[in-house]
Amino acid sequence: NAGVTQTPKFQVLKTGQSMTLQCAQDMNHEYMSWYRQDPGMGLRLIHYSVGAGITDQGEVPNGYNVSRSTTEDFPLRLLSAAPSQTSVYFCASSKRDRLNTGELFFGEGSRLTVL
Amino acid sequence: DAKTTQPNSMESNEEEPVHLPCNHSTISGTDYIHWYRQLPSQGPEYVIHGLTSNVNNRMASLAIAEDRKSSTLILHRATLRDAAVYYCIRVYILTGGGNKLTFGTGTQLKVEL
Repeated sequence: NAGVTQTPKFQVLKTGQSMTLQCAQDMNHEYMSWYRQDPGMGLRLIHYSVGAGITDQGEVPNGYNVSRSTTEDFPLRLLSAAPSQTSVYFCASSKRDRLNTGELFFGEGSRLTVL
Repeated sequence: DAKTTQPNSMESNEEEPVHLPCNHSTISGTDYIHWYRQLPSQGPEYVIHGLTSNVNNRMASLAIAEDRKSSTLILHRATLRDAAVYYCIRVYILTGGGNKLTFGTGTQLKVEL
């Protein structure tokens, strides 16, 4: 199994450009999420999904859109990139577990720079 | 505040045990405690989790205080490959299911020969 795959690994954008960060998992996990990590800070939740067709906002959702049309894919869209969105983005997935014991599997990250 | 409190950094010698502390004084009764670690330029990696009882797995042990306001991750024999940032995280259920992990800034563990 490939686990959680993120593309691209690196991207440079100009302010105002739009782009999509791709995330795919092959573990049939119901739950997927996007985090951003800034220097000196822990990861912060952007958006998450508990299944196909269901998404919700996390801690820092502004400037980002998501959709979940399949179980496998959970793309993150930047509508109009801003320098404040320069960060490393991580996608994660887990089985949906009512006992709250789900181990999160993370991708290797996508490093985004907005000029 | 849902975040946990950890020391910024700790040092250990190889082959020695390491005790990484975490304070989560505002934890609620249903929140789990998870530990993840992050190597440079990689995504976080699951280490261990628990609710009330001490837990052991092949990577580490987790000791949870009786009042659940603190916990300690124990690496029994540190190796150079264990050098990473270790995050102690409260995990709670989101509306409709799924988990939310609230990351703090973690502890940078340095392991020396």
